[in-house]
Amino acid sequence: NAGVTQTPKFQVLKTGQSMTLQCAQDMNHNSMYWYRQDPGMGLRLIYYSASEGTTDKGEVPNGYNVSRLNKREFSLRLESAAPSQTSVYFCAGAGLAGTHDWDEQFFGPGTRLTVL
Amino acid sequence: RKEVEQDPGPFNVPEGATVAFNCTYSNSASQSFFWYRQDCRKEPKLLMSVYSSGNEDGRFTAQLNRASQYISLLIRDSKLSDSATYLCVVNFGAAGNKLTFGGGTRVLVKP
Repeated sequence: NAGVTQTPKFQVLKTGQSMTLQCAQDMNHNSMYWYRQDPGMGLRLIYYSASEGTTDKGEVPNGYNVSRLNKREFSLRLESAAPSQTSVYFCAGAGLAGTHDWDEQFFGPGTRLTVL
Repeated sequence: RKEVEQDPGPFNVPEGATVAFNCTYSNSASQSFFWYRQDCRKEPKLLMSVYSSGNEDGRFTAQLNRASQYISLLIRDSKLSDSATYLCVVNFGAAGNKLTFGGGTRVLVKP
């Protein structure tokens, strides 16, 4: 199993450009999450999807949109990138039937985004 | 006040020594607790869950104190490979099984 994968690994954008960060998982997770991590701020939740077909805002949703395309895929879109969105973005999945720690989250390797 | 607070460190630890650090959380109704480890420029990975009775995994021991609302992590016989940032994580029972992450405690193990 590949686990949780993210593309791209690195991206540089100019202010105002748009892009979509891709996330896919093959662990049959019900829930999926998008976080950003900034120095000194820890991980902050942007959006999450508790199950296929549903999405909800997290702590810092402004400037982002998401799509839960199917159970495996959860994408994050920046419509008009701003320098404040320079960060490391992590996707995670959770919820495995039959496991004790049903809320344990498994993370992808991250996307390092720089907005100039 | 942050919901999950940690001393950012760094904790400079001689190889072979013991190091311990705490994390405080704000909500007494918290459901579950974890320690994650994050290496530099890598994704967080689960180190261990924290159970009410406390639990041990090799050189790592986690304790939960619900009355005082803190969890702790103790690392015995520190190895150079233990150098990392340790994230305290709490499930406050919010919709979507959301987890709340502390800012992390950085540990540097030196020869």
